[in-house]
Amino acid sequence: DIQMTQSPSTLSASVGDRLTITCRASQSTSSWLAWYQQKPGKAPKLLIYKASSLESGVPSRFSGSGSGTEFTLTISSLQPDDFATYYCQQYNTYLTFGGGTKVEIK
Amino acid sequence: QLQLQESGPGLVKPSETLSLTCTVSGGSISSYNYYWGWVRQPPGRGLEWIGSIYFTGSTYYNPSLKSRVAISVDKSNNQFSLKLSSETAADTAVYYCARQREEGNYLGNFDYWGQGMLVTVSS
Repeated sequence: DIQMTQSPSTLSASVGDRLTITCRASQSTSSWLAWYQQKPGKAPKLLIYKASSLESGVPSRFSGSGSGTEFTLTISSLQPDDFATYYCQQYNTYLTFGGGTKVEIK
Repeated sequence: QLQLQESGPGLVKPSETLSLTCTVSGGSISSYNYYWGWVRQPPGRGLEWIGSIYFTGSTYYNPSLKSRVAISVDKSNNQFSLKLSSETAADTAVYYCARQREEGNYLGNFDYWGQGMLVTVSS
């Protein structure tokens, strides 16, 4: 199984901050990685697929990068609507999610 | 607009089998290049992929759950279903159904999700 480790698990930030969340895979997933945003009581929402491709309708302040075993999700300027939990997901070998990163208001 | 809706009992007794159905509307479950999957989330915890199915009936299961899981598709009713046997309290979770967009012959990412359904395992 491919294990996905996200860091940090919690992040305190302010509106306007630049944020970076990291996801590390226990073995290479090539570029087969997605990022999701989840708000309390709601289903996850796809943000990024294939490591760096922006899903249609997702604001351009979200970006993804990386390949192999290390990936990042960056929010260039944090907006009030962005306080949520973020998950990475690999789909190179079956599917595995990371443990999540909760972005809180500082 | 594609919509997915989970249905089934919200309470299951220990050792019994959980059965959920996902009804797809606004699109065909027989679409090429899309899988249909189940994901669960225990209260306050992260996401876990359960398994996925293609409209042809090909199935892919999480190895950690494979011995207890069965996913099937009903093309005539545009539905797919999940059965998870030998339930324990550890299976208490919100269960989501979702559409998976195939990429490069891989199972891919989830682009449309149902609202989720809480299933509690308790006597």
